Amino acid sequence: AQTVTQSQPEMSVQEAETVTLSCTYDTSESDYYLFWYKQPPSRQMILVIRQEAYKQQNATENRFSVNFQKAAKSFSLKISDSQLGDAAMYFCAYRSAIRNSNYQLIWGAGTKLIIKP
Amino acid sequence: EADIYQTPRYLVIGTGKKITLECSQTMGHDKMYWYQQDPGMELHLIHYSYGVNSTEKGDLSSESTVSRIRTEHFPLTLESARPSHTSQYLCASSGYRNEKLFFGSGTQLSVL
Repeated sequence: AQTVTQSQPEMSVQEAETVTLSCTYDTSESDYYLFWYKQPPSRQMILVIRQEAYKQQNATENRFSVNFQKAAKSFSLKISDSQLGDAAMYFCAYRSAIRNSNYQLIWGAGTKLIIKP
Repeated sequence: EADIYQTPRYLVIGTGKKITLECSQTMGHDKMYWYQQDPGMELHLIHYSYGVNSTEKGDLSSESTVSRIRTEHFPLTLESARPSHTSQYLCASSGYRNEKLFFGSGTQLSVL
């Protein structure tokens, strides 16, 4: 069975600086998707960034980028120029790409990101 | 951005009451999900549906039940609420390939 591990329960960063959130996963599959979701306090969870395992190029969305290391089964999220609005819980998630799988997401425990003004 | 709505946002009830948490989406998504989440903790899937008249239990055992009579509506019901049901309940939906989940704002349930 697949597992997702976020080893940092909490991280803090100074506003405008860069922070990296760690995520490792375990799977025997070769084709899958990885996600980072953001859950701000009392607000809706939203997708931050997505990576397809078959793509070698790391996904980027504005100030958010990932470092996808398939062999090491690592999927870290880098947030550049941190802003106060980035403060949230960040969840890493895995989804199989196998056609007959139930396509359910496997979630990490989350990392609370604190932005210091 | 998300067109998925949950009501109520907060609910405080007494033990033994029957409650229904509402979830509706206007995106025409076939797949809908209910997650349970304790504060600052990971999400646990309790129910999902891949279309009308299709419902399945998730990984976390739950005493709640769901129904899917219409594509846009996926309510969750607790016949007799207990303090152990106190938690946040998140509803989500996704399109054909499930590559992105859209979440509602959640219902924070407190059972006294």
